[in-house]
Amino acid sequence: NAGVTQTPKFQVLKTGQSMTLQCAQDMNHEYMSWYRQDPGMGLRLIHYSVGAGITDQGEVPNGYNVSRSTTEDFPLRLLSAAPSQTSVYFCASSLGQGDTEAFFGQGTRLTVV
Amino acid sequence: AQKITQTQPGMFVQEKEAVTLDCTYDTSDPSYGLFWYKQPSSGEMIFLIYQGSYDQQNATEGRYSLNFQKARKSANLVISASQLGDSAMYFCAMRERVTGGGNKLTFGTGTQLKVEL
Repeated sequence: NAGVTQTPKFQVLKTGQSMTLQCAQDMNHEYMSWYRQDPGMGLRLIHYSVGAGITDQGEVPNGYNVSRSTTEDFPLRLLSAAPSQTSVYFCASSLGQGDTEAFFGQGTRLTVV
Repeated sequence: AQKITQTQPGMFVQEKEAVTLDCTYDTSDPSYGLFWYKQPSSGEMIFLIYQGSYDQQNATEGRYSLNFQKARKSANLVISASQLGDSAMYFCAMRERVTGGGNKLTFGTGTQLKVEL
């Protein structure tokens, strides 16, 4: 079972560059979300989606865009990378509102120089 | 105000001993869920245990149990018979409903557990 797959695992960007972090799940989960993890701050919600075509902002959405054209995929776009976006990014999925487990991808370590 | 508070940045425990990791939460939603995740040095997030707000009994999963005290808004993780492989960062998280039918997880800042011989 693939579960939640994130690519790439590591990335170095220059300030101002754009890129897309990919996230795909094969569990037919409706709910998907993106988090960033910074030292001493736990994981913070960036954007989430409750189904194809529906997205909403989380706690720290500035500088990031998302779209959800299919149930399986939920890419995260950085339009103009900044050093403050250096972080570890996690994608997660779950069945729905009452789900008892959220499944996480392996994470993407992003460095912006 | 913090929604999820983990007051222990670091903890040490002797191998084979039990350890309790603290977590308190704050929410006005009567329907919520509480999770514990383990993050080893390799970085992945590993689900450990879940407790629903309406669950009458404390959740247990093998050596993990969740001491759920609803009135005190606490959801402490108890690890029995600690093993060296338990050394990791542990996160408490709370699931709350959001408008539109979804939910969001709010995480605490984590507790770094070190198991010693």
